[in-house]
Amino acid sequence: QKEVEQNSGPLSVPEGAIASLNCTYSDQGSQSFFWYRQYSGKSPELIMFIYSNGDKEDGRFTAQLNKASQYVSLLIRDSQPSDSATYLCASYNTNAGKSTFGDGTTLTVKP
Amino acid sequence: NAGVTQTPKFRILKIGQSMTLQCAQDMNHNYMYWYRQDPGMGLKLIYYSVGAGITDKGEVPNGYNVSRSTTEDFPLRLELAAPSQTSVYFCASSYSRGGARTEAFFGQGTRLTVV
Repeated sequence: QKEVEQNSGPLSVPEGAIASLNCTYSDQGSQSFFWYRQYSGKSPELIMFIYSNGDKEDGRFTAQLNKASQYVSLLIRDSQPSDSATYLCASYNTNAGKSTFGDGTTLTVKP
Repeated sequence: NAGVTQTPKFRILKIGQSMTLQCAQDMNHNYMYWYRQDPGMGLKLIYYSVGAGITDKGEVPNGYNVSRSTTEDFPLRLELAAPSQTSVYFCASSYSRGGARTEAFFGQGTRLTVV
């Protein structure tokens, strides 16, 4: 079992819809969780982080964390074609000092 | 503000050759990482460092070596290149080990092909 599992893509949504990306993790020592966006041929860039149970909103993005279920999600509201990218979920284990990444979910937003 | 700088951006190696991928950061980050990313896959940790003089293995260290003599630099050495090492390599750094400041900043990547 991978330490970080993401729902397999690709995911396609129409412009203006809500895109929902999911991630589960197995390392119970993980304390922080990150969503990175990676455009084709580019390096990952951070879009959201969360370390407390519940929701965290930033503009059109909402990250949700449920530590009991070891589940992290990212919602993108009013999806735009520019949101088309691969989204990487990562967990961070403070004691180990390193992150573990999922394989990513590719999102396509169709105009 | 340069952030994380990787060189070279592209490289073709022949089987058995060696090379060093350079990584430098100017953000005074303690933590630095080397990842590889195969097509359609996520990032796999090769080596990481929590400070100058300290390095540790990640998930896929075989065939690689690192050193960290300064806070700024974290070179990755490939010895006896093999086709299985064809990948995109990302160097990253982060400030701290706790909470929000563990955000990783990535370099632009090195696309390596071994033929």
